[in-house]
Amino acid sequence: GQQLNQSPQSMFIQEGEDVSMNCTSSSIFNTWLWYKQDPGEGPVLLIALYKAGELTSNGRLTAQFGITRKDSFLNISASIPSDVGIYFCAGSNTGNQFYFGTGTSLTVIP
Amino acid sequence: SQTIHQWPATLVQPVGSPLSLECTVEGTSNPNLYWYRQAAGRGLQLLFYSVGIGQISSEVPQNLSASRPQDRQFILSSKKLLLSDSGFYLCAWNAGIETQYFGPGTRLLVL
Repeated sequence: GQQLNQSPQSMFIQEGEDVSMNCTSSSIFNTWLWYKQDPGEGPVLLIALYKAGELTSNGRLTAQFGITRKDSFLNISASIPSDVGIYFCAGSNTGNQFYFGTGTSLTVIP
Repeated sequence: SQTIHQWPATLVQPVGSPLSLECTVEGTSNPNLYWYRQAAGRGLQLLFYSVGIGQISSEVPQNLSASRPQDRQFILSSKKLLLSDSGFYLCAWNAGIETQYFGPGTRLLVL
């Protein structure tokens, strides 16, 4: 199946810093999703995007649906230790089948 | 509200033994159901998905199979486990909106 390119693969940041990560695809998507996964648990949905150019926030998290519909971005402001985890993007053009990125591992140093 | 359950949470099985993982969803009707495998390298690999009872689509050839005996129940099975079947198995669902919600996962270790 199709794989999305997610970058960076890993990040080590100081508490309080902002975080940016992105996801790109060779195909156009109608839906972009962002998830966070803690060790040993299932991914938890953070933000869903359904329209090109859409900018959506969830607390300190903001995600954008790229205008080209081939990319999406996730920003975390003022990081805290509990932000630690792996962040996944997922894209779909059918609504039923999603393709997932390889994940960005975030480490927050207190 | 909707909830998704996976059972068991952890499983250690010998090579060649059978497998049965269960996923159930509550609070929704006629959901699409999915099985993913997540290896240590973090990527999520779609194994099977189902849009209704008895309807199973397979994404990759393997020694695993899936069944949907009831509307909100999805089973992942194998007759003989391989070492390479070890991993973290995730069930997911969606219904009516373009998103996916994941269960807590089952960690399988084949020895």
